[in-house]
Amino acid sequence: DGGITQSPKYLFRKEGQNVTLSCEQNLNHDAMYWYRQDPGQGLRLIYYSQIVNDFQKGDIAEGYSVSREKKESFPLTVTSAQKNPTAFYLCASNTGTGLNYEQYFGPGTRLTVT
Amino acid sequence: AQKITQTQPGMFVQEKEAVTLDCTYDTSDQSYGLFWYKQPSSGEMIFLIYQGSYDEQNATEGRYSLNFQKARKSANLVISASQLGDSAMYFCAMRVWSGKLTFGQGTILTVHP
Repeated sequence: DGGITQSPKYLFRKEGQNVTLSCEQNLNHDAMYWYRQDPGQGLRLIYYSQIVNDFQKGDIAEGYSVSREKKESFPLTVTSAQKNPTAFYLCASNTGTGLNYEQYFGPGTRLTVT
Repeated sequence: AQKITQTQPGMFVQEKEAVTLDCTYDTSDQSYGLFWYKQPSSGEMIFLIYQGSYDEQNATEGRYSLNFQKARKSANLVISASQLGDSAMYFCAMRVWSGKLTFGQGTILTVHP
């Protein structure tokens, strides 16, 4: 079945460590996105990529980095520079750049940093 | 810049009743798309319904309909015949030609038996 895979579902790290969140899609979508969600809040865009080897900062990119070496994969690294990394992280993708394209989401990764 | 406002942090509805979740938006773009997503406690995001800014008819998908009032910049979601499984967080979102989605803060809907 086509979809977006995020692993792991829960991730625990010590403060000061970098951590990489995985996102893989087999939908053949060009565009991929990373969002952060804090408890009881909406989704905020971290980074997005509309084509391989290209990506743009979203609204809250500080302390994060991404790469897009393959169409299927868009890993997110949460660096030690991110002040409050504990959050729920959602990866998404869609095909095309039209207005009506539904954005598909992965199941998310809950990151806890202590 | 685009902005989505959902003014109802929480809503309650009786099973089998209808409920309206409010959403207002702000953009200077003439072309845009409006989306509603459902997020159960598991965290997944489920697409519900889409309305384009030039669509003359209100969108409907099963028990979901979107009450689109362009002049008032509102895109309220109406859920008819509520079910217990409708209890979740609901997000309104907007896309302009950049492709990015801007989300509101969400409304938690609780359906009582």
